Amino acid sequence: GQNIDQPTEMTATEGAIVQINCTYQTSGFNGLFWYQQHAGEAPTFLSYNVLDGLEEKGRFSSFLSRSKGYSYLLLKELQMKDSASYLCAVRDIENKLSFGAGTTVTVRA
Amino acid sequence: ETGVTQTPRHLVMGMTNKKSLKCEQHLGHNAMYWYKQSAKKPLELMFVYSLEERVENNSVPSRFSPECPNSSHLFLHLHTLQPEDSALYLCASSQDSRLAGGNQETQYFGPGTRLLVL
Repeated sequence: GQNIDQPTEMTATEGAIVQINCTYQTSGFNGLFWYQQHAGEAPTFLSYNVLDGLEEKGRFSSFLSRSKGYSYLLLKELQMKDSASYLCAVRDIENKLSFGAGTTVTVRA
Repeated sequence: ETGVTQTPRHLVMGMTNKKSLKCEQHLGHNAMYWYKQSAKKPLELMFVYSLEERVENNSVPSRFSPECPNSSHLFLHLHTLQPEDSALYLCASSQDSRLAGGNQETQYFGPGTRLLVL
């Protein structure tokens, strides 16, 4: 099974940087995903990591350390539209995807 | 921009009603999923269909009955639900590449059906 932990809430100022951490315990790791979900909308795919290191996509970056069971999502140059819930999800060797409870990020002016 | 649509977007039903949720994907995927999302809780996987065969049923009560008539459509039939079943029901699709030695690829979600059971 999977045990995925991420903070419940974070608040940051427009233009700042926020780092959302995700720790996991899994019987067989086979990839980690980050999704963004605005209230009342579909989760949308942000990033995927399966090897250690940093993946950068514009203002968003995701980091993975498999030995530590740890990932983070880094949001740079925060904009008001980045206020959303961010979901960490881990895929196991049976291809089952398990989600964390999500981190609600509030961006203030 | 999502290629996965769900209807209805909102549904209110009594405990004795029967209703169905519909999901359609336009991405050419061969796997579809139902998830339940309750406030402040992780998404719970309910059912998985791959190549129109049900491959996973996560101990979901029989009052939820899935149907996958083809690779583009997925239904969730609801009957005699309980108030605790009130939640956001999300559909997702992906490409299942395991037969080719790959993985279940990234899942793409629909906007969900907000269900309230009275």
